[in-house]
Amino acid sequence: NAGVTQTPKFQVLKTGQSMTLQCAQDMNHEYMSWYRQDPGMGLRLIHYSVGAGITDQGEVPNGYNVSRSTTEDFPLRLLSAAPSQTSVYFCASSLTIGGEQYFGPGTRLTVT
Amino acid sequence: AQRVTQPEKLLSVFKGAPVELKCNYSYSGSPELFWYVQYSRQRLQLLLRHISRESIKGFTADLNKGETSFHLKKPFAQEEDSAMYYCALEGTDKLIFGTGTRLQVFP
Repeated sequence: NAGVTQTPKFQVLKTGQSMTLQCAQDMNHEYMSWYRQDPGMGLRLIHYSVGAGITDQGEVPNGYNVSRSTTEDFPLRLLSAAPSQTSVYFCASSLTIGGEQYFGPGTRLTVT
Repeated sequence: AQRVTQPEKLLSVFKGAPVELKCNYSYSGSPELFWYVQYSRQRLQLLLRHISRESIKGFTADLNKGETSFHLKKPFAQEEDSAMYYCALEGTDKLIFGTGTRLQVFP
């Protein structure tokens, strides 16, 4: 099993550009989530999904969209990148909300 | 409100010293609590959860409902314990993380 994969590993965007961060898991997990990690702020939940076709907002959803058309994939879209979105983004999945979360390797995004 | 507080951003100790990483939570009901760890250049991973009552890599954590705490402890720190540690709470429909504590263990 590949576990949780994320692409790309690194990305530089200009302000106003859009892009999609990809996340996939091959463990048949229902629960998937996106976090951003910033110094001093810890892990903040952006969006999450409890199953295919179901998504909900986390703590910091503004400027991001998600969709969950399949159990395996949970892409995160930045609609119009801003410097405040410079961060490291982690995708995670688990069988249940309280189950062990499996994290991807992260995407380091810089917005100039 | 459901919340996790880790009051220390950085904890520095010498090898062999005891370690206690603090975690306090706010939750009505019986909480499910976890500790996650991120070693340098590695993925975040589960260290331990309170329901399993395990000791992982010498670390233990006891749930104290009276003090609403779930502190992570190790009697003798090792250099390889240097990492970022996150306390997490299972909320209504999501996992809530604290802001993390960086543990530095000096030789």
